[in-house]
Formats: sequence, structure tokens, C-alpha cells
Amino acid sequence: SAVISQKPSRDICQRGTSLTIQCQVDSQVTMMFWYRQQPGQSLTLIATANQGSEATYESGFVIDKFPISRPNLTFSTLTVSNMSPEDSSIYLCSVAWTERETQYFGPGTRLLVL
Amino acid sequence: DAKTTQPPSMDCAEGRAANLPCNHSTISGNEYVYWYRQIHSQGPQYIIHGLKNNETNEMASLIITEDRKSSTLILPHATLRDTAVYYCIVRVRALSNYKLTFGKGTLLTVNP
Repeated sequence: SAVISQKPSRDICQRGTSLTIQCQVDSQVTMMFWYRQQPGQSLTLIATANQGSEATYESGFVIDKFPISRPNLTFSTLTVSNMSPEDSSIYLCSVAWTERETQYFGPGTRLLVL
Repeated sequence: DAKTTQPPSMDCAEGRAANLPCNHSTISGNEYVYWYRQIHSQGPQYIIHGLKNNETNEMASLIITEDRKSSTLILPHATLRDTAVYYCIVRVRALSNYKLTFGKGTLLTVNP
């Protein structure tokens, strides 16, 4: 497995602002993903973060709202832009390797938008 | 990916085995069965996965029926710290497909 850290662990933000969440892994990984978990709901995949190219977004998620960067094999960021209370969720980073069959998750970032 | 069906909740006494069922009747031959758990608002924790053979690791055992239409996750000696939502997920075995589709899972409550 890998040690995955996320910053911040939680935040309270005002509507209309943006927040950038960082995901750091202690070893190089092939794939990095961002998930969202709205209150009382299950996890939903937002996008796959691709190194050196644009992220691949799932249906219902767009780059303007959730810009993602992945400058190297151990780091990625997710920005939640122009936030509204509906963006209040836990945002989770996960990682995987092509030679392995398992995906591992970070601790998550709890976001509350007022 | 095939859909899974799990009971919404289960109870288990501390020290007893917890047997969590999952139905995946539309599973195809190249789909794995994965189990994750999520302890209150933490990131999901990988438990175990299998294709068609039973699997065991330090956390749990996975029993997959011969027709692969259902499986059971077994926690042999449940503790209070095993209280969590347990997710059964089916995923196509392909290097290009890493998407995990989470359902609602089973809330396992381990009672003292």
C-alpha cells in the first residue's frame, strides 16, 4: 500500500470562493483519482488525474468547476471553484498502480461551505 | 460493471464472526469482487478482493459462490473497531478500468 496525505483535513469556506485540496503520496503511483462523498451518501468518482495532461472527468463533473493538476507521480490537487453550500462534502484522493489490482484512499478533506 | 446488492444494516456481537453478504448476480467472468470499509467519515479502507477462488488475509476471508453470483465477507472475530460501512464492489479486470462504483453498503454495528 502507500501512505496518502491530504491537506487541508477540513475547512469552512464562504460561498463564491475556491479551495484547493492537495494529495501527496509517499511513493510513485500510476493513477490518481478524486472522489466526492456528499453528506449521507456514498462515494462518487469526480475524475482521474493524469500526469502531464488534462484530467478525465466523469459525467456530471466539469473542469471549470473542479480543475485538477497532477505535476508528477506523487502529487495532485483538486480545486473546488466558486463554491456553493451544495459543494459541502468529503473529497477523497485515491491511488492505484497498473501492476496491482487495488486502489487505496486518502483520509479525505471535509469541506463545509456557508 | 455489475451491480451489487447488500443489506443496509447488520448487527454482530463482539468476538463473534461477522458474515456480510453481497449479491452480484449479473457478474461477468472478468469482474473482480472487492470489499472496502469506511469507518465514520474516514477514507475507505481496502479489505480484500477475489475473482473466483476464496481468499483470506489478515483482516478477513472472502467466500465467492461457485456460480460467482454472490459472495460473503467474513470477519472472524469482530471487535468494536470493526463498526463501519462495508462496501461490496464489482470491477472489470482491465488495466484501463480503475473506476470503483460504490453503492450504499452495509452498516455493520458490532455490539459489546
